[in-house]
Amino acid sequence: AQSVTQLDSQVPVFEEAPVELRCNYSSSVSVYLFWYVQYPNQGLQLLLKYLSGSTLVKSINGFEAEFNKSQTSFHLRKPSVHISDTAEYFCAVSEGGGFKTIFGAGTRLFVKA
Amino acid sequence: NAGVTQTPKFQVLKTGQSMTLQCAQDMNHEYMSWYRQDPGMGLRLIHYSVGAGITDQGEVPNGYNVSRSTTEDFPLRLLSAAPSQTSVYFCASSYRLGLAGDHTQYFGPGTRLTVL
Repeated sequence: AQSVTQLDSQVPVFEEAPVELRCNYSSSVSVYLFWYVQYPNQGLQLLLKYLSGSTLVKSINGFEAEFNKSQTSFHLRKPSVHISDTAEYFCAVSEGGGFKTIFGAGTRLFVKA
Repeated sequence: NAGVTQTPKFQVLKTGQSMTLQCAQDMNHEYMSWYRQDPGMGLRLIHYSVGAGITDQGEVPNGYNVSRSTTEDFPLRLLSAAPSQTSVYFCASSYRLGLAGDHTQYFGPGTRLTVL
């Protein structure tokens, strides 16, 4: 069965510092991987996704994530964060061709001035 | 496009009351889902639908009913509200992208429900 583990519940970081939010999954078949972001009092929105091909995927606002099949990981990184990146980030996985998506518990990113 | 809309935004119920959370999407998406979000637990799937007239249970279906009479609408019914159902509820829709499949989910703004 699928499962998703986000290793940090909260990550405080200073503005302009790099950040990594960690995500590990378990699945016995091929998977699609997603990172969603939730700003305060809003719904979730897609940040980036891995379906196939290049294992490094990027978002338009500077985040990137790398699919590592041997480590079953999909960590999210940004080299320099902004105050506006303060939000909760969710890693999610769906098995290839399947519909059900399993979400991790979320990581709250706090960016401090 | 309005995307995915949910009503109401806030609701307070007493134990034992029933109510329906409304969800609609105007993107002609095949798939729709209901999730609940609780602190430290991420999103848990309640019910989902793969098309009009077809629904199935997710991870935490007890105490909830759904129906899908049209592509656009997917209401969630609480039969007899309990304090354990206090949560934020999100509706989401998605479509299959090509043969490989891609279930990127589009979320509504959520309904914050309190059961006293």
